[in-house]
Order: sequence, then structure tokens, then C-alpha cells
Amino acid sequence: GAVVSQHPSRVICKSGTSVKIECRSLDFQATTMFWYRQFPKKSLMLMATSNEGSKATYEQGVEKDKFLINHASLTLSTLTVTSAHPEDSSFYICSASSGTVSTDTQYFGPGTRLTVL
Amino acid sequence: ILNVEQSPQSLHVQEGDSTNFTCSFPSSNFYALHWYRWETAKSPEALFVMTLNGDEKKKGRISATLNTKEGYSYLYIKGSQPEDSATYLCAPPMDSSYKLIFGSGTRLLVRP
Repeated sequence: GAVVSQHPSRVICKSGTSVKIECRSLDFQATTMFWYRQFPKKSLMLMATSNEGSKATYEQGVEKDKFLINHASLTLSTLTVTSAHPEDSSFYICSASSGTVSTDTQYFGPGTRLTVL
Repeated sequence: ILNVEQSPQSLHVQEGDSTNFTCSFPSSNFYALHWYRWETAKSPEALFVMTLNGDEKKKGRISATLNTKEGYSYLYIKGSQPEDSATYLCAPPMDSSYKLIFGSGTRLLVRP
């Protein structure tokens, strides 16, 4: 099956620093990659959608200047949490898909636990 | 905004029991429904993509049915095993696009 890796799996940083999370599709080319956030005891919330070579589309309420997304190639997308604060502490998870319609499967990475001190 | 509900929130069963849980979603403008299994410390695993009313899909001991007219899908696990312990998520797309709205999941624990 399609494999998506995510790195790092866990990161602790100081308030005010920036953190970059990488999402890679290992055995397929991902037309689209998605970034989700999971708050405690809540479901996955879509933050943004990125397509290779174009600007990411952010969901309502997600600050694009806070969460920078780059989709440099068909196998790599990065999420940078800029000037992180404790309220940015969360579980971030990416997914990748080779298609662009509602029936196309998204393949998920294992997620990144971010803790901002 | 789509309202996706899953019930129950959690479920404890004995090994060998069969079980089922529900995903409810708005029945209007239905496009598809995705089911995922998410084991702790692993990536969510795609189980099924369901599209047609009356659809039934099967993968080993797990099967799912779909009723688009009344807006629900059932996931069944026959003869539960400890390795079935996971959170099961359903997700319809927001619209005709590929953006998924996830339910909060049903957390299944199968006791040996």
C-alpha cells in the first residue's frame, strides 16, 4: 500500500521558535497533500490543502502566516509553525493523495506531537 | 459545515465478540464516505471508500454498509480480535472535492 512518512514524530521547542514538519509520500506521487490538527479528545481538523508548485489553500480560521506550507515536489510537503506558542501545542498529521476527487483515498503519515514550552 | 457523528464513542468487547458502530452524516449532497482504522502510534489506515446507496464492502472480518438516503453507515467487525483494537473514523468529503470532514471516532478495545 501507499506509505507516507512524517518527521519528526515528536518535537519540543521553546516559545518563539519555529518548527518544521516534513511529510513525504514514499512510494507514490502525491498530487495533493493535506495538513490536519487534532486537539485533545477531538477529531482531525483540516488545516490546509497543498498542491505541488502552488500556494496552499487554508481552511477558515487557520492563520497562513503562522502555519507556512510548502509543497516543493510531488513527494514532499512541509509545515512550518512560525513563532510557536504554547497554544500551538498539538498533534499535527499529514496525508497525501494521488487524486483530486472525493473518492480518492488519502494516505496518512503517523503524525507529529508538538509541545511548545 | 457538515456534522459527522459517530457512536458509540468507545466500546469494550471480549475477544470473539462481533460488534458494530455507526457513522451519521447529512444525507443531502452525498459524494462519498471514507472509513479509516487508527491504531495507537501508527498512521490511520484506509479501510473503505463507499459511494453508492446500499453499498456493502468487506475486508477480512470487517465490513461496512451505506445508506445515503438516511445518512448513515455501519461498520461491522466479526469475531473481534485484540489486534482490532483501534479508533475507527469515518469521513465524508466537505463537498464534491477531496477535503474530508472527520467524525470523532469510535474507540474499540478488544479484551483477550
